[in-house]
Amino acid sequence: QQQVKQSPQSLIVQKGGISIINCAYENTAFDYFPWYQQFPGKGPALLIAIRPDVSEKKEGRFTISFNKSAKQFSLHIMDSQPGDSATYFCAGGGSARQLTFGSGTQLTVLP
Amino acid sequence: EAGVAQSPRYKIIEKRQSVAFWCNPISGHATLYWYQQILGQGPKLLIQFQNNGVVDDSQLPKDRFSAERLKGVDSTLKIQPAKLEDSAVYLCASSHGTLASTDTQYFGPGTRLTVL
Repeated sequence: QQQVKQSPQSLIVQKGGISIINCAYENTAFDYFPWYQQFPGKGPALLIAIRPDVSEKKEGRFTISFNKSAKQFSLHIMDSQPGDSATYFCAGGGSARQLTFGSGTQLTVLP
Repeated sequence: EAGVAQSPRYKIIEKRQSVAFWCNPISGHATLYWYQQILGQGPKLLIQFQNNGVVDDSQLPKDRFSAERLKGVDSTLKIQPAKLEDSAVYLCASSHGTLASTDTQYFGPGTRLTVL
C-alpha cells in the first residue's frame, strides 16, 4: 500500500492562530483526499475532503489546499480554538473506495 | 441516524489467547471496513466487505485473523492466537457502498485490545 506522508507529528498553536498540516502522496491513482479528525476514545470523523480537480476547498475555518503536480495537500485551520485539539489524519482514496491514511498530527490549541 | 456500534470497547488478553470483536454498521450501509490502528499511527485497512462478500483482504494476516459478515449487516473480527504486536485499536467503518471514491466512511469508536 503506497504511503501518505504527514507532517508535523505534533503541533502546538495559540488560540486564534493558524494550524497547518501537510501531506504528500505517492499513488497517482488517488482521486479523493479526505481529512479526518479524531478525539481521544473516539473513531475518526470526516472533517473535509477534496477532489484533485480543484486547488482549494474551504468549509468554515477549515481549508484544504491541493497541489496536484507536487502531489501534496495541506489542511489549514484558521482562528484555531481549544476545541480543535485533536489528532488529524489525511488520507488518499481511489476507485476501490479504500483509504490510505497518514500517520496523524496531534494538534494542541492553547487557550 | 445511529452511528457505527462496536463492542467490546476494551479487551485485555494474554498472548496466544483468542478474541473477537463485533461491529454493527449504520443501517443500510452496504460496505463495511475493519481497520487496525496502532498507537501513534493512522488506521490501516485489514478487510473490506461489500454486503456479505469480501472485496479486499490482502492486508489481513490470515494465519491468525479472520472476519465474516454473514448476513450483510453485522460483522465479527477474530484473532486466534493473539500476539503482542496485535495490541491496537480495531476500528470498524461503514459506507453507503456507492461506486464513487468519495463514498464517506463513518467510523465506530473502536475496540482497544491489549495483549499481555
